[in-house]
Amino acid sequence: DQQVKQNSPSLSVQEGRISILNCDYTNSMFDYFLWYKKYPAEGPTFLISISSIKDKNEDGRFTVFLNKSAKHLSLHIVPSQPGDSAVYFCAARGKYSGGGADGLTFGKGTHLIIQP
Amino acid sequence: DSGVTQTPKHLITATGQRVTLRCSPRSGDLSVYWYQQSLDQGLQFLIQYYNGEERAKGNILERFSAQQFPDLHSELNLSSLELGDSALYFCASSVTGGAWETQYFGPGTRLLVL
Repeated sequence: DQQVKQNSPSLSVQEGRISILNCDYTNSMFDYFLWYKKYPAEGPTFLISISSIKDKNEDGRFTVFLNKSAKHLSLHIVPSQPGDSAVYFCAARGKYSGGGADGLTFGKGTHLIIQP
Repeated sequence: DSGVTQTPKHLITATGQRVTLRCSPRSGDLSVYWYQQSLDQGLQFLIQYYNGEERAKGNILERFSAQQFPDLHSELNLSSLELGDSALYFCASSVTGGAWETQYFGPGTRLLVL
């Protein structure tokens, strides 16, 4: 059962426009969410994160929005640039009973293609 | 460059064999995580260590084991290898392994089992 879902395997956006990547989760114990960018043959690179006590976090061209009631988050990239073409992974983590924390649960990724 | 290093970059071996993957965390990070990325399963958490001790287990097979040494580097041991173990193996690290910490990933080791 997939607990983190990225329903769009790919997304094509024109350079300079806004890219919106979406992610849904099912586990209500998740309270920390991250976005990673990945190029082929490289490790995931951290982009931005948000904790469950916030509904928005910005860092330069990247903004993440969290809607806890809908169990949905999105990553906005404005303006989109050719170097943004990569696979984007949504990841989530939760604090389980006993105070311990588990590893990240990843979505399957969305391949973002920025068209010139 | 995340500061996390992994060796080797590529590994080709045969079914039934045993291999060891190595990871050095970022300077100052005490927690190390191992992940497997396969075509059908995506990125999956295997195991976490904190300051030499196992902290959490994910979808790690019994044929796989890991340890973290006093200098904080970690090794992932894969034994009795099967064709299906062919995948990218990533190591990540964070400062203390807390729930709201960012994990930084290494470049990965690509394992091919023939």
